[in-house]
Amino acid sequence: NAGVTQTPKFQVLKTGQSMTLQCAQDMNHEYMSWYRQDPGMGLRLIHYSVGAGITDQGEVPNGYNVSRSTTEDFPLRLLSAAPSQTSVYFCASSYYRGYYEQYFGPGTRLTVT
Amino acid sequence: GQQLNQSPQSMFIQEGEDVSMNCTSSSIFNTWLWYKQDPGEGPVLLIALYKAGELTSNGRLTAQFGITRKDSFLNISASIPSDVGIYFCAGQRTGTASKLTFGTGTRLQVTL
Repeated sequence: NAGVTQTPKFQVLKTGQSMTLQCAQDMNHEYMSWYRQDPGMGLRLIHYSVGAGITDQGEVPNGYNVSRSTTEDFPLRLLSAAPSQTSVYFCASSYYRGYYEQYFGPGTRLTVT
Repeated sequence: GQQLNQSPQSMFIQEGEDVSMNCTSSSIFNTWLWYKQDPGEGPVLLIALYKAGELTSNGRLTAQFGITRKDSFLNISASIPSDVGIYFCAGQRTGTASKLTFGTGTRLQVTL
């Protein structure tokens, strides 16, 4: 199993550009989530999904969209990038009943200039 | 906002020493977890705790779910260089189904 994969590894955007961060898992996990990690802030939940077709907001959802058309994929879309979205983004997945035992991807480091 | 306070923020210890860190909140948590993050990688789950008072070990690591359900502790015995990294506590707060809250992390550095 590849586990949780994320692409790209690094990305630089200009303010106002849009892009999609990709996340995929091959463990047949129902639960998937996106976090952002900023210095001194730990990880903050952006959006999560408890199954295909179901998504919900986390702690910091503004400026981000998600969809879950398949069990395997959970892309995160930045609609109009802002410097405040410069961060490291992590995708995670787990079985729903044990959603706290999450497996994390390697992260995407995003810089918005 | 951030619900979990971790201390210390960073630690610099010598190889072989024991390490203690803790996580506290003003809210009640139903589950406590401890993750470790190595540089450039995503966090990895170390220990999960599900009941108040529970004490669980994973090799040299021992964690406890506080009786009040508002805190948790992680101890590392006989530290080694590969223990270097950032340790995060996380938990599911009562009333926030399907969401984990993470602490701000404790950065551990080990010298030979």
